[in-house]
Amino acid sequence: GIQVEQSPPDLILQEGANSTLRCNFSDSVNNLQWFHQNPWGQLINLFYIPSGTKQNGRLSATTVATERYSLLYISSSQTTDSGVYFCAVEQAAGNKLTFGGGTRVLVKP
Amino acid sequence: DTAVSQTPKYLVTQMGNDKSIKCEQNLGHDTMYWYKQDSKKFLKIMFSYNNKELIINETVPNRFSPKSPDKAHLNLHINSLELGDSAVYFCASSQYYAGLAKNIQYFGAGTRLSVL
Repeated sequence: GIQVEQSPPDLILQEGANSTLRCNFSDSVNNLQWFHQNPWGQLINLFYIPSGTKQNGRLSATTVATERYSLLYISSSQTTDSGVYFCAVEQAAGNKLTFGGGTRVLVKP
Repeated sequence: DTAVSQTPKYLVTQMGNDKSIKCEQNLGHDTMYWYKQDSKKFLKIMFSYNNKELIINETVPNRFSPKSPDKAHLNLHINSLELGDSAVYFCASSQYYAGLAKNIQYFGAGTRLSVL
């Protein structure tokens, strides 16, 4: 099956810092989503981004499908950005999401 | 209104018991899923239903039995609970667009199951 690898596994940031999270996948995909799992365990949709670039406030994401990777940018990080960020991909419409191992982010005040 | 809701939020039970988790979505989606998140935060698909029909059944012990009474509901029944079943179980839903591959999945808040 498809492999999804996220890096780095852990990230500690000072409030206000910028960072980039990476997601590599081993095969072509039809769907790619980024999620934020907050400290209360809730999975929140950030982006649906099988290709191209999207921005939502301080967050933006870019997927280069031909090179099989996606990047999530966090700018001016805040303590509320803490949690685990997951990348998940789907290979065919109506199929399952395969998740990466996540990047644990801790933003210190 | 919560889009994908699961009950209960927490479930603590003894080994050997049988328990159920319920999921309901009000998004009008036709596809629902169960995922399991282990203690290391790894998330993995268990089952998927499209219009009440089982379409994905990963390698899951047959003690786990999903049921979809209608396309807005997907329940998970677990028989003879074991210590290793302790995890967070997430329900999700999406609308399947044939050929368009826009399968955006929305997740519930999770059910934290602890087997003692």
